Amino acid sequence: DAGVIQSPRHEVTEMGQEVTLRCKPISGHDYLFWYRQTMMRGLELLIYFNNNVPIDDSGMPEDRFSAKMPNASFSTLKIQPSEPRDSAVYFCASTVGDRGKNEQFFGPGTRLTVL
Amino acid sequence: AQSVTQPDIHITVSEGASLELRCNYSYGATPYLFWYVQSPGQGLQLLLKYFSGDTLVQGIKGFEAEFKRSQSSFNLRKPSVHWSDAAEYFCAVGPYNTDKLIFGTGTRLQVFP
Repeated sequence: DAGVIQSPRHEVTEMGQEVTLRCKPISGHDYLFWYRQTMMRGLELLIYFNNNVPIDDSGMPEDRFSAKMPNASFSTLKIQPSEPRDSAVYFCASTVGDRGKNEQFFGPGTRLTVL
Repeated sequence: AQSVTQPDIHITVSEGASLELRCNYSYGATPYLFWYVQSPGQGLQLLLKYFSGDTLVQGIKGFEAEFKRSQSSFNLRKPSVHWSDAAEYFCAVGPYNTDKLIFGTGTRLQVFP
């Protein structure tokens, strides 16, 4: 298996633009997580899905952020409009659900820079 | 609220020296406990995990961790560090019967030859 795939790996955009980050989880995994990593705040869980349904979005910073999972093999995280403080590395992770016992497999991340 | 504390932001050791990275958690019951490693420019990779039973768990790359309930700790150890161990290490807590992980702020390990 190719592992969790994220695209793009790097994104540079200007403030106010829409940004879409993409994730393909490992086949057969029924949980998908979106994290954000910054120096100031560390690794934060933004939202996670189970069987394509959002379960907990309490970590989504504000209405500018939205996430979707239209099918088991694809998820997007959208920021509209983007702001400089959104600059971070965004990770997607997937796992097979067993009430939190199983390893989360992380993608390589998308480094977002908002100018 | 559940939390994870990694008190050491940055640790420097010489190659061949022993290593211990500290992790303390705050939770009402014994949670699931994990250590992940992140190499530069990479995602996180699981080193080891603890759910119950033997409090000393073995992981990949020669790492081990010991769960101490009385101290609410789950420290990571390695008897002899290799230069390739230079990375950032994250302790994580999985509150019982949930699917989420709560990560500590990480400890950056630097290894000198």
